[in-house]
Amino acid sequence: ETGVTQTPRHLVMGMTNKKSLKCEQHLGHNAMYWYKQSAKKPLELMFVYSLEERVENNSVPSRFSPECPNSSHLFLHLHTLQPEDSALYLCASSQFTSGEQYFGPGTRLTVT
Amino acid sequence: QKEVEQDPGPLSVPEGAIVSLNCTYSNSAFQYFMWYRQYSRKGPELLMYTYSSGNKEDGRFTAQVDKSSKYISLFIRDSQPSDSATYLCAMSEAGFQKLVFGTGTRLLVSP
Repeated sequence: ETGVTQTPRHLVMGMTNKKSLKCEQHLGHNAMYWYKQSAKKPLELMFVYSLEERVENNSVPSRFSPECPNSSHLFLHLHTLQPEDSALYLCASSQFTSGEQYFGPGTRLTVT
Repeated sequence: QKEVEQDPGPLSVPEGAIVSLNCTYSNSAFQYFMWYRQYSRKGPELLMYTYSSGNKEDGRFTAQVDKSSKYISLFIRDSQPSDSATYLCAMSEAGFQKLVFGTGTRLLVSP
């Protein structure tokens, strides 16, 4: 595997379900990010982790819970989501928060 | 007012045309300007990166920044069907930190 990988690529979940998105980077980076991409809206930065510590949380609802167990892995735990949370969730990594960000292919999430 | 404005398109052009993609912004503190290309079912990838005003050329692609007008452009010469993608502008006050993205413009180049 190379670059940034994300699983699953597609996810359909009900509003009462709990699921997790996984991101793995194979670039030796030490910063990782979660973004939300909705139709006709700009990419929204959700969370930033640097050296496994959360350094940014952009007023994201608590139904989204990130976890960064090590510098190569990032999770986004989801529970009691709303239909408006349906979007493409992108993970990215960089060398420190000042470096170029490399994006994964995203997880297309649909909340029913 | 959005910090970064970008026409979502789609912009349809024939193969070989010159394409102009644009963004306007409101924050005069932005110093770093990027263009990302996003193919369908893929994540964005950095295409070009410029600092402050001026032009930067890379093959068929030219990025232009006019800070006085708060306007940036990406020109694609001799456009190819493989250029069909969504082009996102992004900008920041400090390198790649705290990037502010546009909505993206979808480009369709027909053979």
